[in-house]
Amino acid sequence: EPEVTQTPSHQVTQMGQEVILRCVPISNHLYFYWYRQILGQKVEFLVSFYNNEISEKSEIFDDQFSVERPDGSNFTLKIRSTKLEDSAMYFCASSGQRSSGNTIYFGEGSWLTVV
Amino acid sequence: AQTVTQSQPEMSVQEAETVTLSCTYDTSESDYYLFWYKQPPSRQMILVIRQEAYKQQNATENRFSVNFQKAAKSFSLKISDSQLGDAAMYFCAWGPFYKLSFGAGTTVTVRA
Repeated sequence: EPEVTQTPSHQVTQMGQEVILRCVPISNHLYFYWYRQILGQKVEFLVSFYNNEISEKSEIFDDQFSVERPDGSNFTLKIRSTKLEDSAMYFCASSGQRSSGNTIYFGEGSWLTVV
Repeated sequence: AQTVTQSQPEMSVQEAETVTLSCTYDTSESDYYLFWYKQPPSRQMILVIRQEAYKQQNATENRFSVNFQKAAKSFSLKISDSQLGDAAMYFCAWGPFYKLSFGAGTTVTVRA
């Protein structure tokens, strides 16, 4: 079964450093997402991406964050100058055509620890 | 603001028995989707079941079924014949096509 893959599974970084989280969405999907889950809290929407541009973003997704689809397969989340409160599990997700319904498939997550 | 409420932080069920998890949501939109995701200790988000708001028929997936009450904005999940592997955190999620809002989750423990 097709799946969303994410790398790295776990990353530890120093506060103030830049981090890039990588994702390979399901190959025929067109909509891509990043969500995050701070330990013990609910999953929160960060951003959605379609047709090479951001289609929706939350208030969490400020100038510190950026997303990119550098080629035909990868989808990345960059966090500039990480803060302690950025420590969380970051989930990449993807979904297909709207006509096929809105089933959003999640990757296994990238656990980011900022120290 | 759209909100999703899961009023049961924890639920316990005997193996082979049935458990029902509650979820309510608040929206003024008419076209949306509802989901239940399972998150085991590995923290992966696994889709359990989905429901389109325009469909009156309740979705079922093997031992999992939902009771969707659109007027009441309620979307409960029933797990029948519970198995040890069902133990996990379960999240209810609501969304239009382009994003989801999640509830706080319900931890399900299964007693052998």
